[in-house]
Amino acid sequence: EIVMTQSPATLSVSPGDRATLSCRASQSVSSNLAWYQQKPGQAPRLLIYGASTRATGIPARFSGSGSETEFTLTISSLQSEDFAVYYCQHYNNWLYTFGQGTKLEI
Amino acid sequence: QVQLVQSGAEVKKPGSSVKVSCKASGGTFNSYTISWVRQAPGQGLEWMGRIIPILGITNYAQKFQGRVTVIADISSTTASMELSSLRYEDTAVYYCATGSGSSDPIDNWGQGTLVTVSS
Repeated sequence: EIVMTQSPATLSVSPGDRATLSCRASQSVSSNLAWYQQKPGQAPRLLIYGASTRATGIPARFSGSGSETEFTLTISSLQSEDFAVYYCQHYNNWLYTFGQGTKLEI
Repeated sequence: QVQLVQSGAEVKKPGSSVKVSCKASGGTFNSYTISWVRQAPGQGLEWMGRIIPILGITNYAQKFQGRVTVIADISSTTASMELSSLRYEDTAVYYCATGSGSSDPIDNWGQGTLVTVSS
């Protein structure tokens, strides 16, 4: 079973800052890695898939990188609406596995 | 994009079962996968299982094997998830969600259904 580990658990940043969130897989997942944003009381929203491809309508300030076991989500200049919880997810033909999340707080 | 509308909140007793439904409209129901993801209060996302309606194939997370059943009815474009032997720790919001294909990520979510397990 693949385990996805995110760090840090909480990231304190200011609007306009650059934020870097990490996700590590316990074994290679190739580029089958997605990132989601979740705000309180809302369902998650897909940001990135294939490790680096932005989903439809996602602003260019969100970018993803990495492959195999190490992945990064970067938000280049934080806007007030970006403060939320972010999850990475491995996906393949049989199952999905989420990381435990990183909370981005002001 | 497909719209997913889930059934309403439930309160269940420990040891009982709950069935949550998810009605899909728009899109082509049998062309995508339907997953169930839960989120306990203040906790992260936990994938439970999924179905590929056109094939009737199901996959389940090891943690829920034997306790969860996911079905889909193509004629009514409705998917359902039944969780049995409920425990207090099953209290959570349960989401249905779709992916475009069997090897694609989840890209669309229902509104969530709160299931409360309480005596």
